[in-house]
Amino acid sequence: QKEVEQNSGPLSVPEGAIASLNCTYSDRGSQSFFWYRQYSGKSPELIMSIYSNGDKEDGRFTAQLNKASQYVSLLIRDSQPSDSATYLCAVNLSGYSTLTFGKGTMLLVSP
Amino acid sequence: GAVVSQHPSWVICKSGTSVKIECRSLDFQATTMFWYRQFPKQSLMLMATSNEGSKATYEQGVEKDKFLINHASLTLSTLTVTSAHPEDSSFYICSAQTASSYNEQFFGPGTRLTVL
Repeated sequence: QKEVEQNSGPLSVPEGAIASLNCTYSDRGSQSFFWYRQYSGKSPELIMSIYSNGDKEDGRFTAQLNKASQYVSLLIRDSQPSDSATYLCAVNLSGYSTLTFGKGTMLLVSP
Repeated sequence: GAVVSQHPSWVICKSGTSVKIECRSLDFQATTMFWYRQFPKQSLMLMATSNEGSKATYEQGVEKDKFLINHASLTLSTLTVTSAHPEDSSFYICSAQTASSYNEQFFGPGTRLTVL
């Protein structure tokens, strides 16, 4: 069974700090990896996608992928209170169109 | 780019009535659309996968006769909740997938359904 695991949190960080969100997945055939941000009462918003090993940076966000360890992470630099949300890790298995989502990690950034 | 709209954003209906929710990809063609349901403080639950011009594929436990899905074009999919009951009250979210090989999904804003 394909699984995506995330710590449910909440992860609390002070404003300006680096928030580190982690995700592990069970299927070695996974090819595409995504991070979504979901504010309370809203739908998920795609913030990062990564497909190959290494780091991918976009503004304050960096996604890191290690396929050998089946691990993907999201770093948020200079965290802001507006970053407070639930972050969903999603994984796509090659040959399938569906995404497998983790349960999400709640991030709380305190002013 | 990659904007997905949903209509209505919220709906209140009486028990036993049917409700139709529309999902549109505004600036791209979506060969595949997905319908999710999310109860308060719970995870996203995939209900069905919808491909243009073909029957939807429903996840285990989702009643296909209760949740009717139509994907008539590359930019429009509809979900009809038939004979709605209070336990169907939830947040319904669609997503649309681009034609790229990476299978990115972009979500609509969601429809909050309340059945009285």
